[in-house]
Amino acid sequence: NAGVTQTPKFRILKIGQSMTLQCTQDMNHNYMYWYRQDPGMGLKLIYYSVGAGITDKGEVPNGYNVSRSTTEDFPLRLELAAPSQTSVYFCASSYLQTGVTEAFFGQGTRLTVV
Amino acid sequence: EDKVVQSPLSLVVHEGDTVTLNCSYEVTNFRSLLWYKQEKKAPTFLFMLTSSGIEKKSGRLSSILDKKELFSILNITATQTGDSAIYLCAVTGNEKLTFGTGTRLTIIP
Repeated sequence: NAGVTQTPKFRILKIGQSMTLQCTQDMNHNYMYWYRQDPGMGLKLIYYSVGAGITDKGEVPNGYNVSRSTTEDFPLRLELAAPSQTSVYFCASSYLQTGVTEAFFGQGTRLTVV
Repeated sequence: EDKVVQSPLSLVVHEGDTVTLNCSYEVTNFRSLLWYKQEKKAPTFLFMLTSSGIEKKSGRLSSILDKKELFSILNITATQTGDSAIYLCAVTGNEKLTFGTGTRLTIIP
């Protein structure tokens, strides 16, 4: 099973450029999340989605956008890259309804903005 | 707003010691508390706790939840250098999965 797949693994962007981080899960999970992790810190929630067509802001949404057109995919868009967006980005998914599963993580994307 | 606080932020101990990591939370409509271990890459799942007072155990690691006092602890006995990592606590509420800042554990040989 693939689980949660994130691409790319590494990327260097110039200030002002844009890019999309891809995230796909094959577990039919309804919840999906994007986090960023700065060096030595915990995970900060950027955006999350409770199902296809529904997204909501997390703790640090500024400078990012998301969409959830299908259950499987949850891309994260950076429109005008800034040095403050240099970080490691993790996508995760879980299933919440009457029961709850743990969150499964992608392998992360290390982004550097120069 | 949901909140997860972990303590200590950093801990350095010698191999063989026992450590206790703490996690307190405030969350709307609590569903579960999760512990993860993070080494160099993505967090790896350790435990999920949903009920008070029931200890989850895996080898030298164990964890317990107190839903009345809103906290959980993660115990590691007979620590080894391979236990060096960041330990993350997360709580599932109404919709979000909120993480704490983590505890960085360093085991000295």
